[in-house]
Amino acid sequence: AQSVTQLGSHVSVSEGALVLLRCNYSSSVPPYLFWYVQYPNQGLQLLLKYTSAATLVKGINGFEAEFKKSETSFHLTKPSAHMSDAAEYFCAVRGYMGNEKLTFGTGTRLTIIP
Amino acid sequence: KAGVTQTPRYLIKTRGQQVTLSCSPISGHRSVSWYQQTPGQGLQFLFEYFSETQRNKGNFPGRFSGRQFSNSRSEMNVSTLELGDSALYLCASSLGGTGGNQPQHFGDGTRLSIL
Repeated sequence: AQSVTQLGSHVSVSEGALVLLRCNYSSSVPPYLFWYVQYPNQGLQLLLKYTSAATLVKGINGFEAEFKKSETSFHLTKPSAHMSDAAEYFCAVRGYMGNEKLTFGTGTRLTIIP
Repeated sequence: KAGVTQTPRYLIKTRGQQVTLSCSPISGHRSVSWYQQTPGQGLQFLFEYFSETQRNKGNFPGRFSGRQFSNSRSEMNVSTLELGDSALYLCASSLGGTGGNQPQHFGDGTRLSIL
């Protein structure tokens, strides 16, 4: 079964600094990977997804993630943090078959320091 | 294109009651999944419906049930409510065919509070 581990339940960065949110996956075959963001009192919004077409994936709001098979990682980055990036971020994994469930990590709360 | 709509947004119930939550997926989406989100347990998968059939099920007691209608709209029912059922219940829809690369699109959830 697939699973993801998010390292760091809370991350704080200064406005304008690099954002790095870590996600490692566990899967017997290369999976499909997703990053979602959740703002207070809202549902989850898709940031980006990895589907094996390219290892570097660009998403919305300036975020990107790189799939590294050798490290079983799919870390999320943004070169320059903005106050509006403060939210909770979830990494998720799903297997090749469409009938498999989406499995989420425990989430990382990102705080931006002015 | 309208997004996933969940109703109601907020609900207050007392222990022992039952509740029904509704989810209208994005037009054309045939898969609907339900999640429970709490501060202590995070996002936990409840079940997924595809073409009116339950396709996947999480580890929740039988008090939690769901169904999907022919128009893909889904309802989730919780009977004999307990204090621990207080949570944000999220619904997500996707196209649902074969291929795990289809992302799920989430509604804003129903906040259920049990008194």
